[in-house]
Amino acid sequence: SAVISQKPSRDICQRGTSLTIQCQVDSQVTMMFWYRQQPGQSLTLIATANQGSEATYESGFVIDKFPISRPNLTFSTLTVSNMSPEDSSIYLCSVKTPGVLYNEQFFGPGTRLTVL
Amino acid sequence: KQEVTQIPAALSVPEGENLVLNCSFTDSAIYNLQWFRQDPGKGLTSLLLIQSSQREQTSGRLNASLDKSSGRSTLYIAASQPGDSATYLCAVRLGGSEKLVFGKGTKLTVNP
Repeated sequence: SAVISQKPSRDICQRGTSLTIQCQVDSQVTMMFWYRQQPGQSLTLIATANQGSEATYESGFVIDKFPISRPNLTFSTLTVSNMSPEDSSIYLCSVKTPGVLYNEQFFGPGTRLTVL
Repeated sequence: KQEVTQIPAALSVPEGENLVLNCSFTDSAIYNLQWFRQDPGKGLTSLLLIQSSQREQTSGRLNASLDKSSGRSTLYIAASQPGDSATYLCAVRLGGSEKLVFGKGTKLTVNP
């Protein structure tokens, strides 16, 4: 399995500001994923971050709102830009470790964001 | 569009009871199905992963089954304990995709 850490674990932010969330993995992985869990809703994939290339965004998510960096095979950041109360969610980093039987997917502890 | 539904949304049982959580999905062309446990402040913990070619997987007191043709999976928890209290999430991965599609989860409370 992969051990994933995220910073910060939680934050309270003001409307119109931006927050960058960091994700660190204890092993090299090709693909990292960012998910969002809004209150009472299911987890939804925001984007897939590949090292050395632009992130791939899911329908409904755009780079200007959620810029992503992937500088190496163990680290990624997600920025939530120009925040509004609707961005209040749990943001989770996830990896799929190649070579592990059946490509099991693992998640970090999440970042709980509240926007006032 | 793949949709995943979990029933019931919440479940409260006395300690020691055996229980079943249900997950259904609309598109049977899945690559695999994964059950997770979500504890507040601790993210998601992977419980069981079932490949599309498999019928079930077991880990300790947990047993997950998969009926791909009918679009259903169940998670069976034997001899439930208060420490099993958490939200259980079902997620499917479609063939040819890296995306997991999640249900909203079942919130389980096991009372001592």
